Amino acid sequence: DQQVKQNSPSLSVQEGRISILNCDYTNSMFDYFLWYKKYPAEGPTFLISISSIKDKNEDGRFTVFLNKSAKHLSLHIVPSQPGDSAVYFCAASGYSGGGADGLTFGKGTHLIIQP
Amino acid sequence: NAGVTQTPKFRVLKTGQSMTLLCAQDMNHEYMYWYRQDPGMGLRLIHYSVGEGTTAKGEVPDGYNVSRLKKQNFLLGLESAAPSQTSVYFCASSSPGTVPAYEQYFGPGTRLTVT
Repeated sequence: DQQVKQNSPSLSVQEGRISILNCDYTNSMFDYFLWYKKYPAEGPTFLISISSIKDKNEDGRFTVFLNKSAKHLSLHIVPSQPGDSAVYFCAASGYSGGGADGLTFGKGTHLIIQP
Repeated sequence: NAGVTQTPKFRVLKTGQSMTLLCAQDMNHEYMYWYRQDPGMGLRLIHYSVGEGTTAKGEVPDGYNVSRLKKQNFLLGLESAAPSQTSVYFCASSSPGTVPAYEQYFGPGTRLTVT
């Protein structure tokens, strides 16, 4: 049973507009959420994260929102740029406490920025 | 500072052959991880280590063994490769007290094909 779900395999957005990527989780023990970005033939790279005690975290063009009651988070990218075209993974930690035991990943959303 | 490196980058094995994937990190991280990524499946944790000489099973450990003899190295072994182990393998590392918390640094991946 998937504990972290990204239900949109792909998303196409026009350059300059807002990209919104969604993620749902089922395990209420998760206490930290991260977004990773991945280009083809490269490893994932960290983008932005949020603790479960917050409902928003912002870093430049990237903002992550967390709705704990709905077990839902979203990543907003404003404005979208061609270099943002990549696969975005939502990940969660804290399942067994401490974060040492790895991240639980969603299946990813392929974001395509159209010129 | 090379970060996380993986050897080899590509490998083709025949069913039943064995091999070892090497991961090395130069960030003095305590924790190291092995993930596999299959099409449409996201990343899944195979094994992880919270320190030199210690290892633990992740979500999909069957058919793999690991060793962490040195803090900077984490080896993933396939004793008898099977076609189901065709995948892209990512190594990652992290450390307690990392800011932001739980961020993992990933290597570039090893693409393994078992025929």
